[in-house]
Amino acid sequence: AQKITQTQPGMFVQEKEAVTLDCTYDTSDQSYGLFWYKQPSSGEMIFLIYQGSYDEQNATEGRYSLNFQKARKSANLVISASQLGDSAMYFCAMRGPVYNQGGKLIFGQGTELSVKP
Amino acid sequence: KAGVTQTPRYLIKTRGQQVTLSCSPISGHRSVSWYQQTPGQGLQFLFEYFSETQRNKGNFPGRFSGRQFSNSRSEMNVSTLELGDSALYLCASRVGLAGALSPRETQYFGPGTRLLVL
Repeated sequence: AQKITQTQPGMFVQEKEAVTLDCTYDTSDQSYGLFWYKQPSSGEMIFLIYQGSYDEQNATEGRYSLNFQKARKSANLVISASQLGDSAMYFCAMRGPVYNQGGKLIFGQGTELSVKP
Repeated sequence: KAGVTQTPRYLIKTRGQQVTLSCSPISGHRSVSWYQQTPGQGLQFLFEYFSETQRNKGNFPGRFSGRQFSNSRSEMNVSTLELGDSALYLCASRVGLAGALSPRETQYFGPGTRLLVL
């Protein structure tokens, strides 16, 4: 069975500093994808970044980067130069091969990030 | 391109009633998934529809059902509402490439419907 673990229920970071949100996963699939989503208080889930299990390089999207360590089964999100608007819940999610699992995403419990001015 | 839209955004019902939530995917997306989010259980997968067929189902009772129309719009229905059904219901769409092996397809979420059962 697939499982995502986010061990940090809440975190604080000073504006303009970098922050790392932890995510570890468990799966027996060889092909899988890891996603990070941001959920502001409004409720909408906003896609941030994707990492495939066969991708050799860590994914980056603007201020977001994913520190992917396959052997350790971790996929930590790094946000550089934090902004006040980054305050939100952050979810790590995983999906196995689409052909046998469809689009089903398994989510972690989330990390609430607060950016202080 | 317009994002995923969900209606209504807020809903208050009483126990025993039924409710229907609607989701319009991003234009060109053929797959729609539904998730339930509660403080206690977190985000849980309900079901996924592709080309009007349910392709995958989560561990929810039969009171939860859904359907997809030929234009890819989807509805989910909850009958005989219970207090524990109070949640944020999120809809997500993806392109739905036939026979895709890559899990790369990103799901894009709508703003959700907040359901309160009294």
